[in-house]
Amino acid sequence: QITLEESGPTLVKPTQTLTLTCSFSGFSLSTSGAGVGWIRQPPGKALEWLALIYWDDNKRFGPSLKSRLTITKDTSKNQVVLTMTNMDPVDTATYYCAVAFYSSWDFSYWGQGTLVTVSS
Amino acid sequence: QSVLTQPPSASGTPGQRVTISCSGGSSSIGSNTVDWYQQLPGTAPKLLIYSSHLRPSGVPDRFSGSRSGTSASLAIGGLQSEDEADYYCAAWDDSLDGVVFGGGTKLTVL
Repeated sequence: QITLEESGPTLVKPTQTLTLTCSFSGFSLSTSGAGVGWIRQPPGKALEWLALIYWDDNKRFGPSLKSRLTITKDTSKNQVVLTMTNMDPVDTATYYCAVAFYSSWDFSYWGQGTLVTVSS
Repeated sequence: QSVLTQPPSASGTPGQRVTISCSGGSSSIGSNTVDWYQQLPGTAPKLLIYSSHLRPSGVPDRFSGSRSGTSASLAIGGLQSEDEADYYCAAWDDSLDGVVFGGGTKLTVL
Protein backbone atom coordinates (compact mmCIF):
# COMPACT_ATOMS: atom_id res chain seq x y z
CA GLN A 1 0.00 0.00 0.00
CA ILE A 2 1.43 3.34 -1.06
CA THR A 3 0.96 6.33 1.22
CA LEU A 4 2.41 9.82 1.30
CA GLU A 5 2.13 12.42 4.04
CA GLU A 6 3.16 16.06 4.01
CA SER A 7 4.42 17.78 7.13
CA GLY A 8 5.66 21.23 8.00
CA PRO A 9 4.55 24.54 9.50
CA THR A 10 0.99 25.67 9.05
CA LEU A 11 1.90 29.33 9.43
CA VAL A 12 4.94 31.19 8.13
CA LYS A 13 5.76 34.87 8.09
CA PRO A 14 6.47 36.84 4.92
CA THR A 15 10.13 36.61 3.78
CA GLN A 16 10.64 33.39 5.76
CA THR A 17 11.71 30.09 4.21
CA LEU A 18 9.21 27.24 4.10
CA THR A 19 10.43 23.69 4.57
CA LEU A 20 8.02 20.84 3.82
CA THR A 21 8.69 17.15 4.21
CA CYS A 22 6.99 14.37 2.28
CA SER A 23 7.22 11.05 4.11
CA PHE A 24 6.18 8.02 2.12
CA SER A 25 5.84 4.27 2.33
CA GLY A 26 5.04 1.44 -0.04
CA PHE A 27 7.70 2.32 -2.59
CA SER A 28 11.35 3.30 -2.70
CA LEU A 29 12.79 6.37 -4.33
CA SER A 30 15.83 4.26 -5.23
CA THR A 31 13.67 2.22 -7.60
CA SER A 32 14.36 3.03 -11.23
CA GLY A 33 11.70 5.32 -12.66
CA ALA A 34 10.23 6.55 -9.37
CA GLY A 35 9.76 10.25 -8.78
CA VAL A 36 8.15 12.45 -6.12
CA GLY A 37 6.64 15.78 -6.98
CA TRP A 38 5.16 18.77 -5.18
CA ILE A 39 1.98 20.49 -6.30
CA ARG A 40 0.16 23.35 -4.60
CA GLN A 41 -3.34 24.76 -4.67
CA PRO A 42 -4.27 28.22 -3.36
CA PRO A 43 -7.71 28.30 -1.72
CA GLY A 44 -10.38 28.08 -4.41
CA LYS A 45 -7.85 28.05 -7.20
CA ALA A 46 -6.21 25.61 -9.61
CA LEU A 47 -3.37 23.17 -9.13
CA GLU A 48 0.17 24.39 -9.76
CA TRP A 49 3.09 22.02 -10.19
CA LEU A 50 6.20 23.07 -8.27
CA ALA A 51 8.96 20.49 -8.47
CA LEU A 52 9.82 16.87 -9.18
CA ILE A 53 12.77 14.71 -8.14
CA TYR A 54 13.51 11.31 -9.66
CA TRP A 55 15.26 8.20 -8.38
CA ASP A 56 18.47 9.22 -10.16
CA ASP A 57 18.40 12.69 -8.51
CA ASN A 58 17.24 14.32 -11.73
CA LYS A 59 15.25 17.42 -10.74
CA ARG A 60 12.74 19.62 -12.49
CA PHE A 61 11.17 22.87 -11.30
CA GLY A 62 8.22 25.01 -12.27
CA PRO A 63 9.67 27.97 -14.20
CA SER A 64 7.87 30.70 -12.27
CA LEU A 65 9.22 29.56 -8.90
CA LYS A 66 12.47 27.90 -9.91
CA SER A 67 14.70 30.50 -8.26
CA ARG A 68 13.00 30.00 -4.90
CA LEU A 69 12.80 26.21 -4.77
CA THR A 70 15.07 23.41 -3.63
CA ILE A 71 14.12 19.73 -3.62
CA THR A 72 16.12 16.93 -2.05
CA LYS A 73 15.59 13.27 -1.25
CA ASP A 74 16.68 11.02 1.58
CA THR A 75 16.24 7.51 0.28
CA SER A 76 17.14 5.90 3.60
CA LYS A 77 14.38 7.83 5.39
CA ASN A 78 11.84 7.60 2.54
CA GLN A 79 11.51 11.37 2.53
CA VAL A 80 11.56 14.23 0.08
CA VAL A 81 12.06 17.79 1.30
CA LEU A 82 10.94 20.95 -0.50
CA THR A 83 12.17 24.37 0.54
CA MET A 84 10.73 27.63 -0.74
CA THR A 85 12.45 30.88 0.10
CA ASN A 86 11.07 34.37 0.53
CA MET A 87 7.50 33.37 1.28
CA ASP A 88 4.72 35.82 0.43
CA PRO A 89 1.00 35.85 1.28
CA VAL A 90 0.26 34.78 -2.31
CA ASP A 91 2.05 31.51 -1.50
CA THR A 92 -0.77 30.59 0.89
CA ALA A 93 -1.97 27.24 -0.39
CA THR A 94 -2.44 23.56 0.26
CA TYR A 95 0.79 21.81 -0.64
CA TYR A 96 0.62 18.23 -1.89
CA CYS A 97 3.30 15.66 -2.57
CA ALA A 98 2.66 12.86 -5.03
CA VAL A 99 4.50 9.93 -6.62
CA ALA A 100 5.06 9.10 -10.27
CA PHE A 101 6.52 5.90 -11.73
CA TYR A 102 8.21 4.75 -14.94
CA SER A 103 10.06 8.06 -15.28
CA SER A 104 6.73 9.70 -15.92
CA TRP A 105 4.95 12.66 -14.41
CA ASP A 106 1.64 10.81 -13.95
CA PHE A 107 1.03 11.41 -10.25
CA SER A 108 -0.67 8.16 -9.30
CA TYR A 109 -0.74 8.58 -5.51
CA TRP A 110 -1.11 11.78 -3.52
CA GLY A 111 -0.78 12.84 0.08
CA GLN A 112 -3.73 14.51 1.79
CA GLY A 113 -2.04 17.90 1.56
CA THR A 114 -1.02 20.46 4.13
CA LEU A 115 -2.36 24.01 4.29
CA VAL A 116 0.34 26.63 4.66
CA THR A 117 -0.71 30.18 5.48
CA VAL A 118 1.67 33.08 4.96
CA SER A 119 0.85 35.96 7.24
CA SER A 120 2.57 38.32 9.61
CA GLN B 1 -3.38 32.14 -16.11
CA SER B 2 -2.91 28.45 -16.81
CA VAL B 3 -0.94 27.13 -19.78
CA LEU B 4 -3.70 24.63 -20.53
CA THR B 5 -7.20 26.01 -21.09
CA GLN B 6 -10.32 24.34 -19.72
CA PRO B 7 -13.89 25.59 -19.49
CA PRO B 8 -14.50 26.76 -15.91
CA SER B 9 -17.72 24.80 -15.60
CA ALA B 10 -19.72 21.94 -17.07
CA SER B 11 -22.96 20.29 -16.12
CA GLY B 12 -25.20 17.39 -16.90
CA THR B 13 -28.06 15.33 -15.57
CA PRO B 14 -27.70 11.79 -14.21
CA GLY B 15 -27.16 9.29 -16.99
CA GLN B 16 -25.97 11.87 -19.48
CA ARG B 17 -22.59 11.97 -21.21
CA VAL B 18 -20.46 15.02 -20.54
CA THR B 19 -17.25 16.10 -22.24
CA ILE B 20 -14.60 18.43 -20.84
CA SER B 21 -12.03 19.95 -23.16
CA CYS B 22 -8.42 20.92 -22.57
CA SER B 23 -6.54 23.09 -25.02
CA GLY B 24 -2.78 23.52 -25.11
CA GLY B 25 0.02 24.22 -27.54
CA SER B 26 2.58 22.50 -29.68
CA SER B 27 5.07 22.15 -26.82
CA SER B 28 2.55 20.67 -24.40
CA ILE B 29 -0.39 18.61 -25.64
CA GLY B 30 0.94 18.76 -29.19
CA SER B 31 4.05 16.85 -28.12
CA ASN B 32 3.09 14.92 -25.00
CA THR B 33 0.35 12.82 -23.52
CA VAL B 34 -2.31 14.19 -21.19
CA ASP B 35 -3.39 13.25 -17.68
CA TRP B 36 -6.73 13.97 -16.07
CA TYR B 37 -7.31 14.33 -12.34
CA GLN B 38 -10.53 14.30 -10.38
CA GLN B 39 -10.71 16.33 -7.19
CA LEU B 40 -13.72 15.70 -5.01
CA PRO B 41 -14.60 18.50 -2.57
CA GLY B 42 -12.11 18.76 0.28
CA THR B 43 -9.90 15.94 -0.97
CA ALA B 44 -6.61 15.48 -2.80
CA PRO B 45 -6.65 15.03 -6.57
CA LYS B 46 -6.92 11.51 -7.94
CA LEU B 47 -5.39 10.31 -11.20
CA LEU B 48 -8.29 9.50 -13.52
CA ILE B 49 -6.68 9.15 -16.95
CA TYR B 50 -3.01 8.91 -17.90
CA SER B 51 -1.19 8.78 -21.22
CA SER B 52 -4.22 10.53 -22.72
CA HIS B 53 -6.54 7.51 -22.67
CA LEU B 54 -5.46 4.93 -20.10
CA ARG B 55 -7.32 4.33 -16.86
CA PRO B 56 -5.59 3.38 -13.61
CA SER B 57 -6.90 0.29 -11.92
CA GLY B 58 -10.21 0.97 -10.21
CA VAL B 59 -11.34 3.85 -12.41
CA PRO B 60 -14.69 2.99 -14.03
CA ASP B 61 -14.78 2.68 -17.80
CA ARG B 62 -17.40 5.45 -17.81
CA PHE B 63 -14.38 7.74 -17.85
CA SER B 64 -12.48 8.00 -21.11
CA GLY B 65 -9.85 10.31 -22.55
CA SER B 66 -8.65 11.30 -25.97
CA ARG B 67 -6.06 13.60 -27.51
CA SER B 68 -5.88 15.13 -30.95
CA GLY B 69 -3.43 17.75 -32.09
CA THR B 70 -3.06 20.33 -29.34
CA SER B 71 -6.30 19.44 -27.57
CA ALA B 72 -7.56 16.71 -25.31
CA SER B 73 -10.93 15.68 -23.94
CA LEU B 74 -12.31 13.84 -20.96
CA ALA B 75 -15.66 12.14 -21.44
CA ILE B 76 -17.84 10.92 -18.61
CA GLY B 77 -20.65 8.60 -19.59
CA GLY B 78 -23.61 7.60 -17.47
CA LEU B 79 -23.13 10.64 -15.23
CA GLN B 80 -23.63 9.99 -11.53
CA SER B 81 -24.06 12.36 -8.62
CA GLU B 82 -20.73 11.26 -7.16
CA ASP B 83 -18.98 12.55 -10.30
CA GLU B 84 -19.59 16.11 -9.09
CA ALA B 85 -16.04 17.37 -8.68
CA ASP B 86 -13.31 19.54 -10.15
CA TYR B 87 -11.44 18.05 -13.10
CA TYR B 88 -7.94 19.07 -14.15
CA CYS B 89 -5.93 18.22 -17.23
CA ALA B 90 -2.14 18.13 -17.12
CA ALA B 91 0.67 17.67 -19.60
CA TRP B 92 4.42 17.96 -19.84
CA ASP B 93 5.52 21.13 -21.58
CA ASP B 94 8.80 20.78 -23.47
CA SER B 95 9.39 24.55 -23.60
CA LEU B 96 8.89 24.99 -19.87
CA ASP B 97 10.53 21.62 -19.10
CA GLY B 98 7.87 20.79 -16.57
CA VAL B 99 4.29 19.86 -15.80
CA VAL B 100 1.49 22.27 -16.62
CA PHE B 101 -2.07 22.05 -15.34
CA GLY B 102 -5.28 23.39 -16.73
CA GLY B 103 -7.35 25.86 -14.76
CA GLY B 104 -9.84 23.17 -13.79
CA THR B 105 -13.47 22.49 -14.68
CA LYS B 106 -16.14 22.31 -12.02
CA LEU B 107 -18.64 19.61 -12.97
CA THR B 108 -22.13 19.94 -11.57
CA VAL B 109 -24.60 17.08 -11.71
CA LEU B 110 -28.03 18.67 -11.93
